[in-house]
Amino acid sequence: AQTVTQSQPEMSVQEAETVTLSCTYDTSESDYYLFWYKQPPSRQMILVIRQEAYKQQNATENRFSVNFQKAAKSFSLKISDSQLGDAAMYFCAYRSADNNNDMRFGAGTRLTVKP
Amino acid sequence: ETGVTQSPTHLIKTRGQQVTLRCSSQSGHNTVSWYQQALGQGPQFIFQYYREEENGRGNFPPRFSGLQFPNYSSELNVNALELDDSALYLCASSPRRADTQYFGPGTRLTVL
Repeated sequence: AQTVTQSQPEMSVQEAETVTLSCTYDTSESDYYLFWYKQPPSRQMILVIRQEAYKQQNATENRFSVNFQKAAKSFSLKISDSQLGDAAMYFCAYRSADNNNDMRFGAGTRLTVKP
Repeated sequence: ETGVTQSPTHLIKTRGQQVTLRCSSQSGHNTVSWYQQALGQGPQFIFQYYREEENGRGNFPPRFSGLQFPNYSSELNVNALELDDSALYLCASSPRRADTQYFGPGTRLTVL
């Protein structure tokens, strides 16, 4: 079964600085999707970024970018120019391309942004 | 465009009772997935509905059941509530089965 591991329960970053959140996953599949979701105190999960495994190019969305290392099964999220509004729980998630309904989440990383 | 909505926001029940949670999918989305998020953990997949049919189920007992209606809104029903059912229940919709899921704000269920 696919598992997702986030080894950093908590991270802290100074406003305007850069922070990287780690995620590793375990799978025997070759085709899948990876996601980062943000969950602020309001509880709503917000999609941050998505990566298709067949794409070698790392996804980027404004200040958010990923470092996708397929062979190492690593999928880290880099947040540049951190803002106070970035403070939240961040979840890494995996979804198989074949079994397209079951999304597996990591345990999350709580990000604190210091002014 | 209206996003995913869920009701109620909060709910308190006692052990053994039954509960129904509701979800309205985003306009144009025909697939709804339900997740349980216990405190301090990531969401766990309960099941998914696609065009009114169950399209996959996670490791949850049969007392967790669901429905999807012709307008693609959905219900999650939990019978014989247990203390461990206390959690945030998240609904997510997607335009198609194999597509990115967009989440609602969740329903916080407390079982006493």
